Amino acid sequence: RKEVEQDPGPFNVPEGATVAFNCTYSNSASQSFFWYRQDCRKEPKLLMSVYSSGNEDGRFTAQLNRASQYISLLIRDSKLSDSATYLCVVTANSGYALNFGKGTSLLVTP
Amino acid sequence: EPEVTQTPSHQVTQMGQEVILRCVPISNHLYFYWYRQILGQKVEFLVSFYNNEISEKSEIFDDQFSVERPDGSNFTLKIRSTKLEDSAMYFCATMGQGKKLFFGSGTQLSVL
Repeated sequence: RKEVEQDPGPFNVPEGATVAFNCTYSNSASQSFFWYRQDCRKEPKLLMSVYSSGNEDGRFTAQLNRASQYISLLIRDSKLSDSATYLCVVTANSGYALNFGKGTSLLVTP
Repeated sequence: EPEVTQTPSHQVTQMGQEVILRCVPISNHLYFYWYRQILGQKVEFLVSFYNNEISEKSEIFDDQFSVERPDGSNFTLKIRSTKLEDSAMYFCATMGQGKKLFFGSGTQLSVL
């Protein structure tokens, strides 16, 4: 089983739509969870941390379900500039190495 | 805003040659990393470095790879004898508060 699994997409949505991405992870000992964003051939950039209670940052909402080892990201009111690959990231056993999912591709169209 | 800087942005080399990729980490960060991303694939962990020594490494990080911090500012990744399959984007990263990783813009390595 892959350590971090994501639906690769692509997700094609119109501007203004709401879109949700899911991620599952295999290491039940993982303690830290993140969503990163990666534009084509650029470095990953932190979008947001994911907390057990769920957290929101503007149009973005992240949820964590430790029992199911499942993380989600919801984007409301999609903008053209949201088009990117969204990477689910989870700490490995040591707690200081981060494992990346392969990413989910989002294309927001006019 | 402090950032991780990497040089060169592109490196072309012949198979079997040695390459050194350079990174200047964010100054007050303590954990440093190298990741790589083969085109179309996921970002893969190579090695982490803390207190001037390797703290963790992946299966990818074999004897052909080494890291060091030669002068207290630069953080380097050396590949001793490059192979075709080493062609990838190599990212340096540092870890800030809350285990958040900050990445450099990467070095695209092409092995011919």
